Amino acid sequence: QQQVKQSPQSLIVQKGGISIINCAYENTAFDYFPWYQQFPGKGPALLIAIRPDVSEKKEGRFTISFNKSAKQFSLHIMDSQPGDSATYFCAASKNSGGSNYKLTFGKGTLLTVNP
Amino acid sequence: DGGITQSPKYLFRKEGQNVTLSCEQNLNHDAMYWYRQDPGQGLRLIYYSQIVNDFQKGDIAEGYSVSREKKESFPLTVTSAQKNPTAFYLCASANRGGNEQYFGPGTRLTVT
Repeated sequence: QQQVKQSPQSLIVQKGGISIINCAYENTAFDYFPWYQQFPGKGPALLIAIRPDVSEKKEGRFTISFNKSAKQFSLHIMDSQPGDSATYFCAASKNSGGSNYKLTFGKGTLLTVNP
Repeated sequence: DGGITQSPKYLFRKEGQNVTLSCEQNLNHDAMYWYRQDPGQGLRLIYYSQIVNDFQKGDIAEGYSVSREKKESFPLTVTSAQKNPTAFYLCASANRGGNEQYFGPGTRLTVT
């Protein structure tokens, strides 16, 4: 059973446009929602993360929108640039009584930003 | 430089051979993780360790084994029992009780 569903699988955006990637989760115990960016042949790197006590978090051109009631969260990339072309993964984890968190990942979205 | 190193970057093995992937971190992190990445499948957790000499199975542990004898090292052995070992393997680490996982550059294993 896939606990974090990510869409779309791939996305093509023109330079300067807005890229939007969506994720939906099932487990209401999840309390941490990060987004990772991965370039070909490299390991993923944390981009931005949010907790369910806020509805939006912005860092530069990247914004997470979070809808707790709908169990959905999304990544918005404003003014998309060719350098943003990468695979993006959403993830979720839950507090395990102070123990380290296990991340559950979505299947990823391949973003291509055309110049 | 602080970070996570994985070696080698590319690894080739014949079917039926065991192979060990290296993961070393100098971030002084307590927790370490191994993931497998296949095209279109996201990252799937193989094993994780929260402290030296202790580790737990993840979602797809069959055919894999690990050890955690030192805080900075978490090697993964892909055994001949793993049905489809060809994949991109990623190691990660995190602070005790921390959410943020830091990933290494990965090892691409090809078994023929």
